[in-house]
Amino acid sequence: GIQVEQSPPDLILQEGANSTLRCNFSDSVNNLQWFHQNPWGQLINLFYIPSGTKQNGRLSATTVATERYSLLYISSSQTTDSGVYFCAVAADRGSTLGRLYFGRGTQLTVWP
Amino acid sequence: DAGITQSPRHKVTETGTPVTLRCHQTENHRYMYWYRQDPGHGLRLIHYSYGVKDTDKGEVSDGYSVSRSKTEDFLLTLESATSSQTSVYFCAISEGTRQDQFFGPGTRLTVL
Repeated sequence: GIQVEQSPPDLILQEGANSTLRCNFSDSVNNLQWFHQNPWGQLINLFYIPSGTKQNGRLSATTVATERYSLLYISSSQTTDSGVYFCAVAADRGSTLGRLYFGRGTQLTVWP
Repeated sequence: DAGITQSPRHKVTETGTPVTLRCHQTENHRYMYWYRQDPGHGLRLIHYSYGVKDTDKGEVSDGYSVSRSKTEDFLLTLESATSSQTSVYFCAISEGTRQDQFFGPGTRLTVL
């Protein structure tokens, strides 16, 4: 299956700071999603972004499929942004078509 | 929010007992997935379904079986639970392999 690496593994910020999370993947993909897992364990969809750039409020994401990476930007962070951010990808071909492979996540802590 | 429910939400059982987890959706999506989440591993695919009575194995399928007799229900069975199956189990749904997957609230299973 596809290898997915996320960095950094941990990130601690003061409220109001900006941050960039990175996701590298090992093969061509037709699905890339960013999720936020809140402290209660719920997985919340942030972006479906196999290529290009999207923005939603203070969050934006960019995927450069040809270079096999994606970035998640969080601006003016708030304490409610705390949690684990996961990147997940699905292969563009082969027997694993449609299956999501997850990175190990970035644990974000935002202090007031 | 996608209409996905999981039951039970929490379960404690003993080694060797059978356990069945249920995922129910109201979105009429074709694809359904079972993942497990363990510390340090992110989420890993157990089994998935691409239609009624059509299922296939994921990365970590040993010790698990699934069934899908109706579009809206996807069952995960541990025939004889082991302590290594203590985990949080998530169900997900999607309309297609190139579209978002949406996750249920999770089931926390403890095998003593």
